Amino acid sequence: GAGVSQSPSNKVTEKGKDVELRCDPISGHTALYWYRQRLGQGLEFLIYFQGNSAPDKSGLPSDRFSAERTGESVSTLTIQRTQQEDSAVYLCASSLDLWGEQYFGPGTRLTVT
Amino acid sequence: KNEVEQSPQNLTAQEGEFITINCSYSVGISALHWLQQHPGGGIVSLFMLSSGKKKHGRLIATINIQEKHSSLHITASHPRDSAVYICAVPNFGNEKLTFGTGTRLTIIP
Repeated sequence: GAGVSQSPSNKVTEKGKDVELRCDPISGHTALYWYRQRLGQGLEFLIYFQGNSAPDKSGLPSDRFSAERTGESVSTLTIQRTQQEDSAVYLCASSLDLWGEQYFGPGTRLTVT
Repeated sequence: KNEVEQSPQNLTAQEGEFITINCSYSVGISALHWLQQHPGGGIVSLFMLSSGKKKHGRLIATINIQEKHSSLHITASHPRDSAVYICAVPNFGNEKLTFGTGTRLTIIP
């Protein structure tokens, strides 16, 4: 079946612009996770959803970051007023149950110029 | 926050060699994840284990809950095993994952 998909695969934006990243989880997966990986660095946990609820937003780097999920379907990660330090690969994963085995999408490479 | 240490950071081996990658963590956990990140960046979940041992093909993962330690073994290594292997554990009090820095494995033909 289809895996986790993310769009766009690459995004180049100017500093100060807003960007929206999309994640389509595996159908039936109740949990969804967003991660960030800066160049040459490890994975960084951002936020998770159980259904359309995000109980803990403390992992988001700043208030410029927000995320939403529609039911148990698509999720969007929005970064407002992008900064150069936001440049990274943003990865989405989903799992059948919360904190179960996670299936990763291919990521969105964001470059802020 | 759970502290995660992986070793070695880099490992180069000849094709066919037996590979061991280690992961230690600081706080008791419910389950530990091993992930593989390919050179192109894609991430695949290899194992999620809470006790004992799991095997999938040439990959074997073990965990010792008392010692807070896990190992990932690759038997009969092959150049296509070249990747970064990442250990991840949940934080105490919640299950948000903390990731190790990864082990970069290179298998030479």
